[in-house]
Amino acid sequence: DTAVSQTPKYLVTQMGNDKSIKCEQNLGHDTMYWYKQDSKKFLKIMFSYNNKELIINETVPNRFSPKSPDKAHLNLHINSLELGDSAVYFCASSHLGGGANSPLHFGNGTRLTVT
Amino acid sequence: AQRVTQPEKLLSVFKGAPVELKCNYSYSGSPELFWYVQYSRQRLQLLLRHISRESIKGFTADLNKGETSFHLKKPFAQEEDSAMYYCALSGTSYGKLTFGQGTILTVHP
Repeated sequence: DTAVSQTPKYLVTQMGNDKSIKCEQNLGHDTMYWYKQDSKKFLKIMFSYNNKELIINETVPNRFSPKSPDKAHLNLHINSLELGDSAVYFCASSHLGGGANSPLHFGNGTRLTVT
Repeated sequence: AQRVTQPEKLLSVFKGAPVELKCNYSYSGSPELFWYVQYSRQRLQLLLRHISRESIKGFTADLNKGETSFHLKKPFAQEEDSAMYYCALSGTSYGKLTFGQGTILTVHP
């Protein structure tokens, strides 16, 4: 089944903890992304990697550190979790550019709740 | 800077009625525009892209550069169209899709 898969689906943790979300794609894409969907459903890009290299790094706290061991994987590690980090995090992938000829394919999302 | 605005957060129509989800953008270059849809308990997925000029599930969207709009339309809404719809713009930054705030469409029986 070709897709973008991310784990876990739900993550509930306490403030101050460190957690990771994993993402894998088997679509043969060379670019992967992390998007954050906040409580108002606003969807905003956080990071983008192309062939393991960081190409987009939006204004995101240093507590968030993406890691791409290979072009099929992009993990997101979050240190010292805060209440405001509660959101749904979406992984996505595409061929480089993500333009009209290669739209983004999204994972199912990880709902992070920080208590 | 690129920006996408969807003025309606919620839109309710009855089955069989026409529906239009508004999208306006701001971008200095030549934009590529998309509509993505998220059905309940499903992943966000591409609905259509302006370059294809296609109709998907009865939906169409025309890029109007004069009005900087890319409204999504369907002449006869169905209950299964109920979902969250996002308008998105791809500019020059590699793969950087800028999304609008999203519109929740509810089609009542």
